[in-house]
Amino acid sequence: DSGVTQTPKHLITATGQRVTLRCSPRSGDLSVYWYQQSLDQGLQFLIQYYNGEERAKGNILERFSAQQFPDLHSELNLSSLELGDSALYFCASSPQGVSYEQYFGPGTRLTVT
Amino acid sequence: AQSVAQPEDQVNVAEGNPLTVKCTYSVSGNPYLFWYVQYPNRGLQFLLKYITGDNLVKGSYGFEAEFNKSQTSFHLKKPSALVSDSALYFCAVRDIVPDSWGKLQFGAGTQVVVTP
Repeated sequence: DSGVTQTPKHLITATGQRVTLRCSPRSGDLSVYWYQQSLDQGLQFLIQYYNGEERAKGNILERFSAQQFPDLHSELNLSSLELGDSALYFCASSPQGVSYEQYFGPGTRLTVT
Repeated sequence: AQSVAQPEDQVNVAEGNPLTVKCTYSVSGNPYLFWYVQYPNRGLQFLLKYITGDNLVKGSYGFEAEFNKSQTSFHLKKPSALVSDSALYFCAVRDIVPDSWGKLQFGAGTQVVVTP
């Protein structure tokens, strides 16, 4: 158990809908990262937050957005969903500093039908 | 731009034999390198990292990795593979230039199959 929690574990929704994925980082970690894992794209970095502020953006679509709240949990919002958004979405957390490893949550499997 | 390559989609090895999973990287500065393992329907688990210092890094579950700067490689090794090592292995690199801000660039992953 990494100490990072994600909810829900599974999510099935229809095209055009909006969903919210939730992540709680390890105790004490200020940085939260979101990644998308799909068969065709592999593991892709989406976005990073540090102590409530956005720090880095990766291959995140404009239909996707995220935020980190004062209690450090984070939410990833996916809207106008398309079939191609079906993937595993991982949250990771780490202490601040590039030498630290990231600890990953169990992921949310999103299926868009 | 940073990148990492795992040239093998799959590695097959018999239980008890040495296991090697290859990784090469490209960064603009000095690399921070990581190995993660993913079991079916699970998140990624951290195995080991190279930040600085000794080129041979020891990690969890008997794994180690050798950093080779001249060959820009960071191969994962285990002297004696177990059936339970069968999983998907990812190499990742983090560039330490300021604008990278900690994001990891992952390789495509290598499926390891250990047969009894």
